[in-house]
This record gives sequence, C-alpha cells and structure tokens, in this order.
Amino acid sequence: EDQVTQSPEALRLQEGESSSLNCSYTVSGLRGLFWYRQDPGKGPEFLFTLYSAGEEKEKERLKATLTKKESFLHITAPKPEDSATYLCAVQANFGNEKLTFGTGTRLTIIP
Amino acid sequence: DSGVTQTPKHLITATGQRVTLRCSPRSGDLSVYWYQQSLDQGLQFLIQYYNGEERAKGNILERFSAQQFPDLHSELNLSSLELGDSALYFCASSVAGERTEAFFGQGTRLTVV
Repeated sequence: EDQVTQSPEALRLQEGESSSLNCSYTVSGLRGLFWYRQDPGKGPEFLFTLYSAGEEKEKERLKATLTKKESFLHITAPKPEDSATYLCAVQANFGNEKLTFGTGTRLTIIP
Repeated sequence: DSGVTQTPKHLITATGQRVTLRCSPRSGDLSVYWYQQSLDQGLQFLIQYYNGEERAKGNILERFSAQQFPDLHSELNLSSLELGDSALYFCASSVAGERTEAFFGQGTRLTVV
C-alpha cells in the first residue's frame, strides 16, 4: 500500500528564516510526486510535480527536490503570506491516477 | 481559481438524511476525483470517474455513491448520514495521460447534526 509521511507536523519560522519540509514515501513504482498548498477551509492548490529522482522545480520562494525515498520542499526567506499547510502526495505507476496524501506540514511565518 | 466548481459550499443536515454534492470539472478534464478531509485524517481518496465510467474506488462507504454525467459534471451522493460523516468533501479534476496534476475545487463543508 502506498504511504506518505510528512515532517514536521508543524513549523513556526520567523520571516526570512529559511527551512525545509520533508516528505517520505513508499510507492509501488512512482509516477509522480505532488506538492500542494492548502489554506484553512480552502481546496489544495497545486504547486509542483516531480517525476524522477534528481529532479528539482522552483516557484518564487519554494523549491521542491526528489530522491528515490523522499522529497523536500525548501522555503527561502519566507514571508507571512507563505503560511499554510503544505501537502505531499504520490501517484503510483500502475493502475488508476489516485493521489495518496500525507497529513501535511502546517507552516506559520511570524512577521 | 482552479477552474473546478463545487456546490454547495456549506451544508448542514440531520443524521439519517441524504445529500448530493455537485462538481463541475475544469474545461477539457475527463477525470473527476472525490476526496474526504476530516480533522483527524488527511485527504482520503473516495472514488474516480473517467469520461463517465468509474475508474477507481478508495475507502468509500456503501452509503456513498457517485456518478459522472455526459457533460462530465459529477455528483457525490451521501445517504443515511452519521455524525462521523461531517467533513470537507473535495472534488478534483485532471486530464488523463501524461499531464496528471489534479486541480481541486474549494470543497463542500458538510456538517451532520
């Protein structure tokens, strides 16, 4: 069964203090690993897809990286508006296209 | 705005009742997914439809059912509701094939009292 574990559960940073969020996964053949951002009471917002180990993608202050066992979401010089829950999900190579999600990291950026 | 529309945004109903949640996917997307998100659990996959046909089932209760219509909108029917069914229900859509990102709607918050 596909599994995704995210750490830490919650992270509080000062504005401008860079850090990384971790996503460890177990999947029977990885088709893709996805990062989403979710604000309270809202739907997940798509950020990145990573397909193979060594791949990196960037968007503004966020950079996602992928290895064979885990992915990192690096946040550089964060701002208060980056506060949200960040979700990681995997999609297996075989069968349907469902996403298996982790429980997320709740990120708070303090001004 | 993801382009996925869900209605209603909020729903309050009594135990034992039946409700229908509606989802309109992004233009051109053939796949529709339903997910449940409760406080003590993350996003749980319920069911997927592709171009009108059921494609995959997750941990969907027998009291729940879904369908996708010829115009590709989808409905999730929840019956014999229990207090534990209170949750956020999300619909997502994607283009099947190489581009497999799923885009989520804003959800329906269901409260069973």
